[in-house]
This record gives sequence, C-alpha cells and structure tokens, in this order.
Amino acid sequence: GAGVSQSPRYKVAKRGQDVALRCDPISGHVSLFWYQQALGQGPEFLTYFQNEAQLDKSGLPSDRFFAERPEGSVSTLKIQRTQQEDSAVYLCASSIGSYNEQFFGPGTRLTVL
Amino acid sequence: RKEVEQDPGPFNVPEGATVAFNCTYSNSASQSFFWYRQDCRKEPKLLMSVYSSGNEDGRFTAQLNRASQYISLLIRDSKLSDSATYLCVVNMELSNFGNEKLTFGTGTRLTIIP
Repeated sequence: GAGVSQSPRYKVAKRGQDVALRCDPISGHVSLFWYQQALGQGPEFLTYFQNEAQLDKSGLPSDRFFAERPEGSVSTLKIQRTQQEDSAVYLCASSIGSYNEQFFGPGTRLTVL
Repeated sequence: RKEVEQDPGPFNVPEGATVAFNCTYSNSASQSFFWYRQDCRKEPKLLMSVYSSGNEDGRFTAQLNRASQYISLLIRDSKLSDSATYLCVVNMELSNFGNEKLTFGTGTRLTIIP
C-alpha cells in the first residue's frame, strides 16, 4: 500500500528564491503534520491540519513559511525568500485521526545556497 | 531547557549486549510517549508506544516514570540491525480540538559493533 509521499525529494534553491514542497498523505488520513529536521537534531513541529483546517501553526519559524491543505488531502509547504538557515529536511506525516500513529514521508531535503 | 532531552551518544555497543537509553521531558501535562527509530537519511518510524505500566515488544522494553518525568528504552541481545538513531517523543495536548503536537528529542545514536 502507498505510504506518505513527498516531492521533490531534493531541492537546491538560491537564497531569496521561493520554494514549494508537496506532501501526499495516506488516503483517508485526516491529520497532517509538517516537521523541520536540521542536521543532527530531532524533527521540530511546524504545523498541523485536521482535514483542510490548519489547527496549529505555532511552529512556523517566520511569516515566510506558509502551509495549506485546501481540499483536506494534499498539502503544500511554501517558503518565500529562502534563507540559508532554512536548509533542512522537511518531513510530512499523516495519521488516521487524533492521537493515532503518525506515518512519516521520506522528506524533502532543502539546501539553500 | 529543552522540552525533551536525550543523551545524543553515540553509543557503540557490541553485538549481543544490552543497552539502555533514558529521556526526560519538561511538561508534566504530557499525555503520551513514544520511541521512534530513524535510520540514516530515512524518515522516523514508530518503534513503540510507552505506557505507564511499562511495556515490552520482543527484545525491546519501554518504561515511563511520570513522577520523575523520564522515559527509558532497553534493548536486549542487540543485533547489528538495531544500529540507528532512537528518538524520544512526547505528545502534549494543546487544546480541546484534539490538537496534538509531537515533540522530539535530539535522538540517541546507537551503533552495534560486530
């Protein structure tokens, strides 16, 4: 069965460029999460959706980060005017509902030059 | 102080040995607890949940001490395939919406040596 998929798997951006990262959750999963994982660190929470509603965006590091899930399925994380400190792996996870196991996608490795 | 703290290691352990990791968390209102495993350049995967009464899954035993706010993971008869980073994870309920937020520790890197 299909797991969580993310695209692109690797992205190199020049500083100041806008990027969009896509997440396809497991079909039927209500909850969707975005995490940022810097090298040598654990994943850090960015934002959480329940269906199309963004219930928590407290982890987004700045207003350059924006996430959406307009139809309650696919989600996009957009980073405007990328900075070098945005370089990290961006992980998406989905779960069938609240407090159920979160299944992670393979991540998008973003490098900002 | 970090919300979830772990010794980053690395732990280099001979095959067949027993190894234990501890993790502490700062928020006493934390609701649920997990150990995730992350292989190099791969995504985290749930290893096991941690229950108040302690729980075991094969060679793996997890324990929770709410009074002292720490979680432990014990691996017995370690295998080469156990080499990975082990992430301590705490779920803190933020609101009545069922709004959940996993908070990860830095991870403990384990290498099993033949």
